[in-house]
Amino acid sequence: AQKVTQAQTEISVVEKEDVTLDCVYETRDTTYYLFWYKQPPSGELVFLIRRNSFDEQNEISGRYSWNFQKSTSSFNFTITASQVVDSAVYFCALSDLMAGGFKTIFGAGTRLFVKA
Amino acid sequence: ETGVTQTPRHLVMGMTNKKSLKCEQHLGHNAMYWYKQSAKKPLELMFVYNFKEQTENNSVPSRFSPECPNSSHLFLHLHTLQPEDSALYLCASSQRTHSYEQYFGPGTRLTVT
Repeated sequence: AQKVTQAQTEISVVEKEDVTLDCVYETRDTTYYLFWYKQPPSGELVFLIRRNSFDEQNEISGRYSWNFQKSTSSFNFTITASQVVDSAVYFCALSDLMAGGFKTIFGAGTRLFVKA
Repeated sequence: ETGVTQTPRHLVMGMTNKKSLKCEQHLGHNAMYWYKQSAKKPLELMFVYNFKEQTENNSVPSRFSPECPNSSHLFLHLHTLQPEDSALYLCASSQRTHSYEQYFGPGTRLTVT
């Protein structure tokens, strides 16, 4: 069964702090895709990263980095030196192969507050 | 032109009204999606279209009726809605279904009175 758990409902940090958003997933498939999206107060979800199950390399993009560990079924997201503009809801998502094709589910989201 | 546009951005309707939400994508994608986002539930996938054909309907009540005339346009026709249908309705598109990243529109904030 598919499942995505974002255990942190809300996180509050002060600007310039580092923060890690956790994502734990469940799937029976060996081929699957993981995503992170950002939803700022304006409401529009913005795609951040896509990772397939065969690529466990960590990725860094500016202040953002992602740690994919199949052994613990986790795909965590770290923001270094957080800024007020990082305040948003962040969603982790899993897409795997179900009967009839790939299906995607989203976690419940983590609301990040970055205070100046 | 931004990637995925949605109109209207806000909509207030009574339970007996009929209205439609519109979504248009300018990304050349082949798959389009409707999602419902309410305060107390995670993002809920409603419908998926791939090359204009509906491929998924996640047990959505018949008072929501989607239409996809071509790969660039997606509509959600609404009739006899309930107050619990009040939510943010998000449209998304992707190159192909699911295994590719989705690009979202700004959403329509729907209030049913």
